Amino acid sequence: GAGVSQTPSNKVTEKGKYVELRCDPISGHTALYWYRQSLGQGPEFLIYFQGTGAADDSGLPNDRFFAVRPEGSVSTLKIQRTERGDSAVYLCASSAGTSGHNEQFFGPGTRLTVL
Amino acid sequence: KQEVTQIPAALSVPEGENLVLNCSFTDSAIYNLQWFRQDPGKGLTSLLLIQSSQREQTSGRLNASLDKSSGRSTLYIAASQPGDSATYLCAVAPGTYKYIFGTGTRLKVLA
Repeated sequence: GAGVSQTPSNKVTEKGKYVELRCDPISGHTALYWYRQSLGQGPEFLIYFQGTGAADDSGLPNDRFFAVRPEGSVSTLKIQRTERGDSAVYLCASSAGTSGHNEQFFGPGTRLTVL
Repeated sequence: KQEVTQIPAALSVPEGENLVLNCSFTDSAIYNLQWFRQDPGKGLTSLLLIQSSQREQTSGRLNASLDKSSGRSTLYIAASQPGDSATYLCAVAPGTYKYIFGTGTRLKVLA
């Protein structure tokens, strides 16, 4: 596609459930990022992939959060035993090349609500 | 630890005014700085990317400047229009990939 796409656009779940959020980066972009944005705040970094590997997962808040990118394209962010505090907009971005000198392009986000 | 601050938090101006949005960061060792626009309930749209070696970038009615030594960037919007109403986010790259974002400036341009 022409841009970064994310599915679903909205996800409502109950506390304790498992959720998966999907990101399709721009074709050919080797770098992929996940960020989380709480209401009224700027996005916060979660994890960065270069190709298939997670080069930096220091932003993941705890071990309930996990992300994969098995073929170096689509990525899935997985959240186990969801908590109400996980409610936020989860944003995915991609960029070309291997350095941060490249512009990051963001998807529309997935709004996660944990009841 | 890099911190990014955006002032003002909110701004309301009449149509046609020129305006300046400010972004400051605490650590001048950055690789680049990127300005984004975010419409309510939407993702981020890239506006301008300034590499650390550059001092400014321009696109249409937008001009962004970067002064690394003082830890400041400004986004100048000329002849503002109601369609410019959105939240504007500044993000700095302290290393070669992830961004640190400010909390944004909510702009409203009145017709």
